[in-house]
Amino acid sequence: GQNIDQPTEMTATEGAIVQINCTYQTSGFNGLFWYQQHAGEAPTFLSYNVLDGLEEKGRFSSFLSRSKGYSYLLLKELQMKDSASYLCAVPTNAGKSTFGDGTTLTVKP
Amino acid sequence: DTEVTQTPKHLVMGMTNKKSLKCEQHMGHRAMYWYKQKAKKPPELMFVYSYEKLSINESVPSRFSPECPNSSLLNLHLHALQPEDSALYLCASSQGTGATYEQYFGPGTRLTVT
Repeated sequence: GQNIDQPTEMTATEGAIVQINCTYQTSGFNGLFWYQQHAGEAPTFLSYNVLDGLEEKGRFSSFLSRSKGYSYLLLKELQMKDSASYLCAVPTNAGKSTFGDGTTLTVKP
Repeated sequence: DTEVTQTPKHLVMGMTNKKSLKCEQHMGHRAMYWYKQKAKKPPELMFVYSYEKLSINESVPSRFSPECPNSSLLNLHLHALQPEDSALYLCASSQGTGATYEQYFGPGTRLTVT
């Protein structure tokens, strides 16, 4: 089976940096996704990591350590619009993705 | 066009009604999904279609009946629902069911069962 853990809530200040962690235990590993979901909206794709290391995409970066079963999403230069839920998800090759419960990030002025 | 569209946006139905949710994508994706999402919870997978064939049914009650008329369309037929079925129903698509493909989600249908 799959088990994914993320913090429930985080708060950060506009302009700051925040790191959202995700730990996972899976019977097989095919990579890890991060999605962003604003309240009342659909999830949108942020990143996919399958190899160890850091992938950078503008203000957002995602890190993976397969040996530790650990990933994080790093958000730099926070903006108010970054207030959202951030979901990590572990996929299988059959189309199933197990989602973490999500981390609700609140960015304050 | 990287959009998944869903209709209706909102739906209120009684427990004896029959209604359908619709989903459409024109990205040439061959995998399509239905998810159910309750407030402050992650999406829960209901069904996966691969090349227009049902490949995964996550033990969903028969009052939910999916249909994939063609590679661009996905329907979810609803009948005799219960109040606890009230939720946001999300459709998604991806190039295939392989693990490397990100999913594109539609805006969802907010369903209320009275």
